[in-house]
Amino acid sequence: AQSVAQPEDQVNVAEGNPLTVKCTYSVSGNPYLFWYVQYPNRGLQFLLKYITGDNLVKGSYGFEAEFNKSQTSFHLKKPSALVSDSALYFCAVRDFNKFYFGSGTKLNVKP
Amino acid sequence: NAGVTQTPKFRVLKTGQSMTLLCAQDMNHEYMYWYRQDPGMGLRLIHYSVGEGTTAKGEVPDGYNVSRLKKQNFLLGLESAAPSQTSVYFCASSYGDNTQYFGPGTRLTVL
Repeated sequence: AQSVAQPEDQVNVAEGNPLTVKCTYSVSGNPYLFWYVQYPNRGLQFLLKYITGDNLVKGSYGFEAEFNKSQTSFHLKKPSALVSDSALYFCAVRDFNKFYFGSGTKLNVKP
Repeated sequence: NAGVTQTPKFRVLKTGQSMTLLCAQDMNHEYMYWYRQDPGMGLRLIHYSVGEGTTAKGEVPDGYNVSRLKKQNFLLGLESAAPSQTSVYFCASSYGDNTQYFGPGTRLTVL
């Protein structure tokens, strides 16, 4: 069965420090993986995706994600966090025409 | 471009009432989706459409119906609302079946 797990409900990081938001997935076939960000009372915004190719994917706002097939992971990273990065982050996997989302991780970046 | 718009933004229903949520996109996307977002559960796919005149069930379709009579519009109907359908509903569209563009959401409360 297809699924996405985000093991941390919340991640706290100080501004200027690196951040990681974790995601693991389970899908049959080759995974199509996505990260989205949601600010309060807004819809989701696309950050980045992995379809094929280089395991390190670069996206919007300085975010990047590393695809690891052996560990079935797709962790979101940023070298230096900003207070404005504070939001809810969702990992998603596509299986044919359907998308499955993780439960979300709230990122708190403190000044 | 307005992108993806949703009508209404808020609605309160009594149990047993019916309503229709409208999603419109001006990006000429083939694919459209309806999700519900509940705390701690991420987004769950209700129904989706791969083109005008076509619809298919997602992960949680019970109690909902959809129609895609025009390419730019995707309607979500609740025939007899139940308190369990209290949620935030998001519509999304995509070109092909990859990156999704989300609407701002509709907050529905069923009393």
